[in-house]
Amino acid sequence: KQEVTQIPAALSVPEGENLVLNCSFTDSAIYNLQWFRQDPGKGLTSLLLIQSSQREQTSGRLNASLDKSSGRSTLYIAASQPGDSATYLCAVRQVYGNKLVFGAGTILRVKS
Amino acid sequence: SQTIHQWPATLVQPVGSPLSLECTVEGTSNPNLYWYRQAAGRGLQLLFYSVGIGQISSEVPQNLSASRPQDRQFILSSKKLLLSDSGFYLCAWSVLSATDTQYFGPGTRLTVL
Repeated sequence: KQEVTQIPAALSVPEGENLVLNCSFTDSAIYNLQWFRQDPGKGLTSLLLIQSSQREQTSGRLNASLDKSSGRSTLYIAASQPGDSATYLCAVRQVYGNKLVFGAGTILRVKS
Repeated sequence: SQTIHQWPATLVQPVGSPLSLECTVEGTSNPNLYWYRQAAGRGLQLLFYSVGIGQISSEVPQNLSASRPQDRQFILSSKKLLLSDSGFYLCAWSVLSATDTQYFGPGTRLTVL
């Protein structure tokens, strides 16, 4: 059974810092891995999707890496801003089926 | 462009009452549809998914059910709500593609008292 863990559970940083969010998964037989952002009381917004054959994806100040063999992914946020404050969720899609397995998320607060 | 709607946005219901949450998708055909629940401090849990009209797969046995009466309509129901049904319910859609990215609706906050 696939399990996804995100560390840390919560993070508070001053504006301008670079930061790393971690995601680990127990079964490396994944199709892809996705990072989402969720604002309080809102739905999820997809940030980056990494296919199992890829090592990283970049979008603006965000960079996500994937090491499938070790079951790890990181989301790097450069020059953090107060508007980055949200919950960040990692999810893996299994090789078979349509199911996404989510981590519990990291709550990020960027202080101005 | 594609959009996904959920209603109601918030709902407060007494224990034992029925439930009906609706999700509709616009701008795409034959999507895969999903219902997730997010409990406080926990990750999203897949409840149901559907690959076509009348085709429902259940991931977690519980007192909830789902139906897909039309191609772009997905309904989550319960005959009798439990306190443990409280949570944030999210609907999502995807289409078969190289990435199969799932796109999420705004969610429904359900409180069972």
